[in-house]
Amino acid sequence: AQSVTQPDIHITVSEGASLELRCNYSYGATPYLFWYVQSPGQGLQLLLKYFSGDTLVQGIKGFEAEFKRSQSSFNLRKPSVHWSDAAEYFCAVGANGNKLVFGAGTILRVKS
Amino acid sequence: DGGITQSPKYLFRKEGQNVTLSCEQNLNHDAMYWYRQDPGQGLRLIYYSQIVNDFQKGDIAEGYSVSREKKESFPLTVTSAQKNPTAFYLCASSRQGAVPEAFFGQGTRLTVV
Repeated sequence: AQSVTQPDIHITVSEGASLELRCNYSYGATPYLFWYVQSPGQGLQLLLKYFSGDTLVQGIKGFEAEFKRSQSSFNLRKPSVHWSDAAEYFCAVGANGNKLVFGAGTILRVKS
Repeated sequence: DGGITQSPKYLFRKEGQNVTLSCEQNLNHDAMYWYRQDPGQGLRLIYYSQIVNDFQKGDIAEGYSVSREKKESFPLTVTSAQKNPTAFYLCASSRQGAVPEAFFGQGTRLTVV
């Protein structure tokens, strides 16, 4: 069965510092991978996605993610975090029949 | 503008009552989904539908029911059989096909008192 692990429940970074959020997946075939962001009480917004091709994908708001098949990872990065990036981030893997399986999420706090 | 509309945003119900959450999309997507979100548990799939008049159970379907009479609508009923219904509910849709990119509504927070 497909699964996604986000090892960090909470992460706190200083404004202007770099960020990396970890995501490991389990999936038998070539995965479709996604990162979503959620502000409190809101729906999820797609940050970026990987289907095939270049393993480094660029997304909105200055985020990027790198697909590493050998490590079954799809970590999200940002070189300089802004206070407005504080939110919850979800990694997801595409499963059979168009279903997405989500990780438990990582809450990002940004300190000034 | 195209998108997914969930209503209401907040819903309060007494224990033992059924309640229906609305989800409408104008993206012309074939597939629609309902997820439940609880703190620290991510999103768990309740039901999904890939075509009108057809739907499948997700991982936590017990105590819930759905219908898909129109392509643009996928209402979720939380029944009295759901033991712990207080949660944040998210509706999503996607194009039918190999790539499961989902678009989400703004959610409904259901509180049962």
